[in-house]
Amino acid sequence: QKEVEQNSGPLSVPEGAIASLNCTYSDRGSQSFFWYRQYSGKSPELIMFIYSNGDKEDGRFTAQLNKASQYVSLLIRDSQPSDSATYLCAVTVTSGTYKYIFGTGTRLKVLA
Amino acid sequence: ETGVTQTPRHLVMGMTNKKSLKCEQHLGHNAMYWYKQSAKKPLELMFVYNFKEQTENNSVPSRFSPECPNSSHLFLHLHTLQPEDSALYLCASSLIGLAGGTQETQYFGPGTRLLVL
Repeated sequence: QKEVEQNSGPLSVPEGAIASLNCTYSDRGSQSFFWYRQYSGKSPELIMFIYSNGDKEDGRFTAQLNKASQYVSLLIRDSQPSDSATYLCAVTVTSGTYKYIFGTGTRLKVLA
Repeated sequence: ETGVTQTPRHLVMGMTNKKSLKCEQHLGHNAMYWYKQSAKKPLELMFVYNFKEQTENNSVPSRFSPECPNSSHLFLHLHTLQPEDSALYLCASSLIGLAGGTQETQYFGPGTRLLVL
């Protein structure tokens, strides 16, 4: 089992809809969870991070964490064509030395 | 975003060449990372430096040699590379708490797109 799993997509949603991106992780000791956005040919940039169970909202973005189910998601409300990118989930684990593990990313296409 | 800079942005090299990639962070971070990103593949962590000490080397071939002279600078020395080493090489930095338990966001540089002929 991969340590951090994401559906590679593409996930296509119409403009104005809610895009839901999902990520599961295997290590129950995982502590911090990050969502990055990467445009084609560019480097990843942070969208949100979340440490505690529940929801965290920032503008049109909501991160949801469920540690019992080992699941973290990102919701994008009122999706725009400019949101079209690859979204990377990252998880940190501290066991001895820390690890920062990225998923393979989900490609999102917002259709105008 | 100019917090993490990388040079050169593009590099074409032959298999017998020696070149170096440079990364500099201006964020006061104490950890720096090299990642490789090939087309349609996930980010692959190559090396981690924490307080200038290498803490991770993910089975990277010896033709890649990292150097971290201080917490702000990171180099990746390249020699006798193979065409399959062509990729986007990303540098990142972060702030790790002295107790080792606080991992904050990784900030990425723009990357060096490397082509090995």
